[in-house]
Amino acid sequence: DTGVSQDPRHKITKRGQNVTFRCDPISEHNRLYWYRQTLGQGPEFLTYFQNEAQLEKSRLLSDRFSAERPKGSFSTLEIQRTEQGDSAMYLCASSVGQGWDETQYFGPGTRLLVL
Amino acid sequence: GNSVTQMEGPVTLSEEAFLTINCTYTATGYPSLFWYVQYPGEGLQLLLKATKADDKGSNKGFEATYRKETTSFHLEKGSVQVSDSAVYFCALSDLPNDYKLSFGAGTTVTVRA
Repeated sequence: DTGVSQDPRHKITKRGQNVTFRCDPISEHNRLYWYRQTLGQGPEFLTYFQNEAQLEKSRLLSDRFSAERPKGSFSTLEIQRTEQGDSAMYLCASSVGQGWDETQYFGPGTRLLVL
Repeated sequence: GNSVTQMEGPVTLSEEAFLTINCTYTATGYPSLFWYVQYPGEGLQLLLKATKADDKGSNKGFEATYRKETTSFHLEKGSVQVSDSAVYFCALSDLPNDYKLSFGAGTTVTVRA
């Protein structure tokens, strides 16, 4: 079990550019989540997948954000036309479980800085 | 909607002191409750959890009891070490209906030798 991995760990971009982040969940975890964490705050939910289906999106996820999970394995989060307000840590988590017994395991995050 | 309120930090303690971090929640259903910890330079790790009223989660000397009557899940440790310095997050999810986690703002704890 290698844990949840994310790539890149750090990204600096200029306003208006597009960026894409990748998340590799723990193998056999069917649920995958994206969160955003700004300085001094707790993570905020963005979206989640069950296998390849995107089942829920937060109102935080504007039209500039899109997430995919082809084949139900890794996931990508793309931000188009980045803005300075997009600067944050983007966290990915995965889980497997049923009912009450559900634990999310988090990756190290991708820190985005938009100049 | 669901929300979590945590004691504001930062908290600074001496080694072997008693630590309490207060956490209260608001939920529409019957949530599962979690404490996650983020050590400097590392990702979020699950510290402990509880899924029903009066359950006590425990790990690494930390404990928290699910109190439905007071909608609380306070984190405690009897004798902290320097290695406990981290940011602690209280969180909930409305399992099994809603899998996403709602987090508190986090409490930064610094333990001095």
